Amino acid sequence: EAQVTQNPRYLITVTGKKLTVTCSQNMNHEYMSWYRQDPGLGLRQIYYSMNVEVTDKGDVPEGYKVSRKEKRNFPLILESPSPNQTSLYFCASSSPGAPLGPLHFGNGTRLTVT
Amino acid sequence: GENVEQHPSTLSVQEGDSAVIKCTYSDSASNYFPWYKQELGKGPQLIIDIRSNVGEKKDQRIAVTLNKTAKHFSLHITETQPEDSAVYFCAAFSGSARQLTFGSGTQLTVLP
Repeated sequence: EAQVTQNPRYLITVTGKKLTVTCSQNMNHEYMSWYRQDPGLGLRQIYYSMNVEVTDKGDVPEGYKVSRKEKRNFPLILESPSPNQTSLYFCASSSPGAPLGPLHFGNGTRLTVT
Repeated sequence: GENVEQHPSTLSVQEGDSAVIKCTYSDSASNYFPWYKQELGKGPQLIIDIRSNVGEKKDQRIAVTLNKTAKHFSLHITETQPEDSAVYFCAAFSGSARQLTFGSGTQLTVLP
């Protein structure tokens, strides 16, 4: 089944403790992206990647890192999480021609930073 | 950069009635406008999209209209059903910024 898999689904952590949210897709998509969803703000792009070893900042990249060493994986790294990074995170991927083609989203990771 | 405004933030309709969600965008270079539906506990899923060379597109009970001059586009759902209850997001792709910008979302509730 074609899908984008995020792990974990829920994560509670403390301020300053490094964490990684994994994202993997099995559709051989070149384009991958991370979004955060906050009430009243919609989906805001954190980082995106057009292909392996190519990453770019989105609208809200501060406090986040990403890497794209393999086509299928696009982990999101929070080196020193802070409470304002408490949010619902989504990973998405798309076929060539992106983002003009449909984005395929994972089911989300709900992160709470205390 | 692109700014997308979406209204209303919440919408309740009776089953069988129509629902309309409206979005405006700021970048005249935007040329692709998708709509996503997000069900509870899931990621958004594309339901319909329209490109700037088309004024209207239909797919069964859903349709999208685009007015490039006024820089607004709308989602129309007819004969609403309880399974249409979800959060809907509009988005606009700016060719100049090479970025997809989402609206703030509309929580649609279809009352039985």
